[in-house]
Amino acid sequence: NAGVTQTPKFQVLKTGQSMTLQCAQDMNHNSMYWYRQDPGMGLRLIYYSASEGTTDKGEVPNGYNVSRLNKREFSLRLESAAPSQTSVYFCASRLGQDTDTQYFGPGTRLTVL
Amino acid sequence: GQQVMQIPQYQHVQEGEDFTTYCNSSTTLSNIQWYKQRPGGHPVFLIQLVKSGEVKKQKRLTFQFGEAKKNSSLHITATQTTDVGTYFCAGLAFSGAGSYQLTFGKGTKLSVIP
Repeated sequence: NAGVTQTPKFQVLKTGQSMTLQCAQDMNHNSMYWYRQDPGMGLRLIYYSASEGTTDKGEVPNGYNVSRLNKREFSLRLESAAPSQTSVYFCASRLGQDTDTQYFGPGTRLTVL
Repeated sequence: GQQVMQIPQYQHVQEGEDFTTYCNSSTTLSNIQWYKQRPGGHPVFLIQLVKSGEVKKQKRLTFQFGEAKKNSSLHITATQTTDVGTYFCAGLAFSGAGSYQLTFGKGTKLSVIP
């Protein structure tokens, strides 16, 4: 049981390049989330998927797109990376929305030059 | 939208001193969760409080949920160097249309001086 896995662990992009961050969970969780973490800003929700087949915007969705590929996988895409997107990105999942605890992946450290 | 404020942002303590972080929500919560993030790591779930006035203990950590279910605190007795990290509270609240939102505070970064 690996929990929540993310790839890659580190990435450096040039401004304007695109990339997809991958996330998978093996806990049969229904809900999945993407956060970004910047110094002093805590965890800010980018997008989430309450259940397979649905996605919704969070607090800071601009510049990102997501795909809930199946129940296990939830990817985050940067179409045209900007330096302001330099951050640590965490994927998380939980069984349901209403009470359950959230499990986080190890994070992807992204630098945009 | 729902806001969760957490104070202080930073706390430096001498090893053996106590530490407390406070969390306040703009809305009534269904539950509150606490997470710890070690330097360079990811947030890890510590505990969940659901009932009004609830108090839970984990060894030297004491968690409280306010009577109005809008505030919470985490108290660490006699800090150790292993307590170093950032502590986040996260409030779960009903956001309408059958959905719930988990909103994180900005965290309190704890440093322990040996």
